[in-house]
Amino acid sequence: DIQMTQSPSSVSASVGDRVTITCRASQGISSSLVWYQQKSGKAPKLLIYAASSLQSGVPSRFSGSGSGTDFTLTITSLQPEDFATYYCQQGGSFPLTFGGGTRVEIK
Amino acid sequence: EVQLVESGGGLVQPGGSLRLSCAASGFTFSDHYMDWVRQAPGKGLEWVGHIRRKPEGYTTDYAASVKGRFFISRDDSENSLYLQMNSLKTEDTAVYYCTRTSWRSAVCFEDWGQGTLVSVSS
Repeated sequence: DIQMTQSPSSVSASVGDRVTITCRASQGISSSLVWYQQKSGKAPKLLIYAASSLQSGVPSRFSGSGSGTDFTLTITSLQPEDFATYYCQQGGSFPLTFGGGTRVEIK
Repeated sequence: EVQLVESGGGLVQPGGSLRLSCAASGFTFSDHYMDWVRQAPGKGLEWVGHIRRKPEGYTTDYAASVKGRFFISRDDSENSLYLQMNSLKTEDTAVYYCTRTSWRSAVCFEDWGQGTLVSVSS
């Protein structure tokens, strides 16, 4: 199985800050990497697929990059509504696996 | 608008069974892969299982943690997805989400239901 490791597990940031979250796969997954946002008590929401493609309706301050084993999610100019938990997921082979999540908290 | 509405959750004793349902609308259900994803209280996301479409023979894949105990099925005529859960364990306690799944250079969960809570306890 492919293990997905996210870091950091939590980050404190202020409105307007740039935040970067990393996700590492235990083996190469090409660009088969997906990012989700989950707000407290809500279902997750698809943000980015294929490592760097923005889902329709997602603000352009979100961006993704990487391929192979190392990936990043970047939020430029953090907004109040961005405080949430973010998960990466490999979608290249079964079993599908998620990272442990990164909680973005208000500083 | 895509809507996924899960039902069937509740309290069940260890060793018991439960069947979850997911009613889908707003898209052509038969054209899509579907999945179940769960989240234990205060924990991260865990993929449970996947079901393909009729052209792929409705084949399924499961996480090792549920394989042989959980079974996914679908009824394209009713736009419904099901999760039959048998031999339930306390560690199966979680919110279970139904997802509309797409292939976009990766298997991704494009839409999610609101979730249904399954509690396994004596």
